[in-house]
Amino acid sequence: GENVEQHPSTLSVQEGDSAVIKCTYSDSASNYFPWYKQELGKRPQLIIDIRSNVGEKKDQRIAVTLNKTAKHFSLHITETQPEDSAVYFCAASKVSGGYQKVTFGTGTKLQVIP
Amino acid sequence: KAGVTQTPRYLIKTRGQQVTLSCSPISGHRSVSWYQQTPGQGLQFLFEYFSETQRNKGNFPGRFSGRQFSNSRSEMNVSTLELGDSALYLCASSHGQGNTEAFFGQGTRLTVV
Repeated sequence: GENVEQHPSTLSVQEGDSAVIKCTYSDSASNYFPWYKQELGKRPQLIIDIRSNVGEKKDQRIAVTLNKTAKHFSLHITETQPEDSAVYFCAASKVSGGYQKVTFGTGTKLQVIP
Repeated sequence: KAGVTQTPRYLIKTRGQQVTLSCSPISGHRSVSWYQQTPGQGLQFLFEYFSETQRNKGNFPGRFSGRQFSNSRSEMNVSTLELGDSALYLCASSHGQGNTEAFFGQGTRLTVV
């Protein structure tokens, strides 16, 4: 089955710096890659996603890149702010037998230091 | 549109007891997945139901079981509770067909004492 590895497990950055979280996947059939943010005490929520026909997607201060050949994708947060502090999960998804199969990474705890 | 609702929000049980958690998905969503979240362990996949059928199952012992009803609401049951079962249990709903976003509930915080 699919295996998604996520690094680093924890990340501390100074406010205003950039943060990068990387994920690798094993199943070349995966073609949808969402990222979820979980603030302390709250539910995970989708912040950005990318499909395999696109190499990069940007939404204000966050961007995601995808390298299908190398089977890795990354989340980039620029000009970090304290409210970016949270746990971030990557996921790899595919449609198999007509239904969706999603595999999550183990999460990255991001701390933005004011 | 109402979000994913999980009940109860908090539970305290003693070892050996059993517990049932409930998840009501977003209207129109037919897929419900369950995850166990513990500090440092990320999201551990338990199982996924679609139209009352279990489609996927993670690597958890048989003490963990679930079901889904015709209205897509899902329940998860844990029997013979152990201290290590203390965790946040999250459910997520989605359409289940095609690559789509998963919507998470607030979770049920289970403490086993």
